[in-house]
Amino acid sequence: EVHLVESGGGSVQPGGSLRLSCAASGFTFSSYWMSWVRQAPGKGLEGVANINQDGSEKYYVDSVKGRFTISRDNAKNSLYLEMSSLRAEDTAVYYCARGQWMDVWGQGTTVTVSS
Amino acid sequence: DVVMTQSPLSLPVTLGQPASISCRSSQSLVNSDGNTCLNWFQQRPGQSPRRLIYKVSNRDSGVPDRFTGSGSGTDFTLKISRVEAEDVGVYYCMQSTHWPFTFGQGTKLEIK
Repeated sequence: EVHLVESGGGSVQPGGSLRLSCAASGFTFSSYWMSWVRQAPGKGLEGVANINQDGSEKYYVDSVKGRFTISRDNAKNSLYLEMSSLRAEDTAVYYCARGQWMDVWGQGTTVTVSS
Repeated sequence: DVVMTQSPLSLPVTLGQPASISCRSSQSLVNSDGNTCLNWFQQRPGQSPRRLIYKVSNRDSGVPDRFTGSGSGTDFTLKISRVEAEDVGVYYCMQSTHWPFTFGQGTKLEIK
């Protein structure tokens, strides 16, 4: 069965850093684009970043450019989101999703940025 | 960025009755391959989003056939033929033609 499991969320002060991970199983991870999507409390969904199969193409929403870095390790079937210079407005549940079509989602990991 | 506009934002429906959600994009969603990358997601309370429909009208595996997607260009619709209790939640359209991929504001479906 296809699974995505996010981890690494937590509480951090403004200006701090966090690294999110997404462990994939049940499919050939290296064959798919992967995406990070976030949802602020009580709000809608926002695409944050995505990455192609070998990591050579990466795209970011403007609000996180220069602060977030998406990466992957195909040998470990894992996707990452390195977040730095965190702001209060980055507070959200972060989901990883399979592909640009987002056909499979994880359960999400919560990031809270607050002093 | 492509703006996705959904209506209505709130949708009270009687059990067994049909429901319809509109989604309009600020520009064409046809990509260079000729595909229209418009997807629909359902998010039940307390759950992760789940994809229902991809490329306008293709139903995902396990999605009941009471869900139907249609449309073209910049104008799309999700229809539920007969609403059931398990359909309660928020529905989002999303375009994956242009980066950044963008979602509609969400339509909250509730039972009257």
